[in-house]
Amino acid sequence: EAGVVQSPRYKIIEKKQPVAFWCNPISGHNTLYWYRQNLGQGPELLIRYENEEAVDDSQLPKDRFSAERLKGVDSTLKIQPAELGDSAVYLCASSLLALDTQYFGPGTRLTVL
Amino acid sequence: AQKVTQAQTEISVVEKEDVTLDCVYETRDTTYYLFWYKQPPSGELVFLIRRNSFDEQNEISGRYSWNFQKSTSSFNFTITASQVVDSAVYFCALIGGSYIPTFGRGTSLIVHP
Repeated sequence: EAGVVQSPRYKIIEKKQPVAFWCNPISGHNTLYWYRQNLGQGPELLIRYENEEAVDDSQLPKDRFSAERLKGVDSTLKIQPAELGDSAVYLCASSLLALDTQYFGPGTRLTVL
Repeated sequence: AQKVTQAQTEISVVEKEDVTLDCVYETRDTTYYLFWYKQPPSGELVFLIRRNSFDEQNEISGRYSWNFQKSTSSFNFTITASQVVDSAVYFCALIGGSYIPTFGRGTSLIVHP
């Protein structure tokens, strides 16, 4: 069975540019998470989806970040415009249901110059 | 609010030594789940164990064992006879009634040959 797929793996952009990350969860998993992981820290939740509904986005900086999960399968996280402080690894995870084990993708390492 | 504390930032051992990684949590929920993940240098978080709050049985899986004690709000992880391949950052995580996952800051384990 395929794991969680993320692309791109690496992205380098200039500040103020837009950037988008894509995630395809494990087939059949209803819950999808986007996390940000800063260097030396644990993952911090940005947004959680139950199917196509964003049920927890309190930690998402809504002035510049947006996310969508159309059709309740794959998801896109966008930053526009990017700032220097957005440099981090963006992780996607999925689980069958909200309290089940989460399985993580390889992450996208974003560098904002 | 819930919180996960991994007080050990970095642990360095020599191969074949036993090592214990500490995890202390705070939550007001009576039903919650605890997790341990391994993040090797490649970056992808690998699931190790999931434990619910009603199951205080210790668990052993090969060289890995976990000690869950509700009385001290701890969920410690022991690696017996450590190996170089165990070198990684290990994260403890908690999901409670809010369904918001909280991760600790991680413990970096370095196993020297």
